[in-house]
Amino acid sequence: SQQGEEDPQALSIQEGENATMNCSYKTSINNLQWYRQNSGRGLVHLILIRSNEREKHSGRLRVTLDTSKKSSSLLITASRAADTASYFCATDAWYNAGGTSYGKLTFGQGTILTVHP
Amino acid sequence: GAVVSQHPSWVICKSGTSVKIECRSLDFQATTMFWYRQFPKQSLMLMATSNEGSKATYEQGVEKDKFLINHASLTLSTLTVTSAHPEDSSFYICSARDRWVFNPFTDTQYFGPGTRLTVL
Repeated sequence: SQQGEEDPQALSIQEGENATMNCSYKTSINNLQWYRQNSGRGLVHLILIRSNEREKHSGRLRVTLDTSKKSSSLLITASRAADTASYFCATDAWYNAGGTSYGKLTFGQGTILTVHP
Repeated sequence: GAVVSQHPSWVICKSGTSVKIECRSLDFQATTMFWYRQFPKQSLMLMATSNEGSKATYEQGVEKDKFLINHASLTLSTLTVTSAHPEDSSFYICSARDRWVFNPFTDTQYFGPGTRLTVL
């Protein structure tokens, strides 16, 4: 398995309900980010949580990070039909290549969220 | 601020031809840009890291002779898919890091809107 696995793979809920998505990773990270992608479109950055933070809020979004368990969760409260999209977690970490260190993002497999009106 | 553009947004080409995709940071300078590929209903996979003025760093399994990357300036990186084949059909997305904002704990990449490549 690879860095940034998410579950569930698909989530179907009714408007007004909360949606929770989970992400697990394997290595030490600088930060963890959540992105949203509408079908066939580009990525929208939702929220970034640093490795020394445990919880962060942004509007209807709540993100938690547990570095001891190497996991994160994204909670969307009071979901709307417009929230229907794919959601990806991405871990930002240092990698070494040929003696050079550089940071890169590794994306999870994503959760497809469908919110029914 | 922090806008990244890609051109073209979509391209259809015949098998065997080469296709160039441009990635530009419009209002900031980027010493580092990244190229990702995304197949339908799958996640983004990093192909390579492009550094201004130096050779790109390719991820394992990515053919550097097939996917040529040039980062000639602080605002432009290009990806050329050489001798494209139908299996290269995919959504290609670039991202960029602001050269003047570098904190590994809060650093954010800015993503372009993507380029959909279809090889017939």
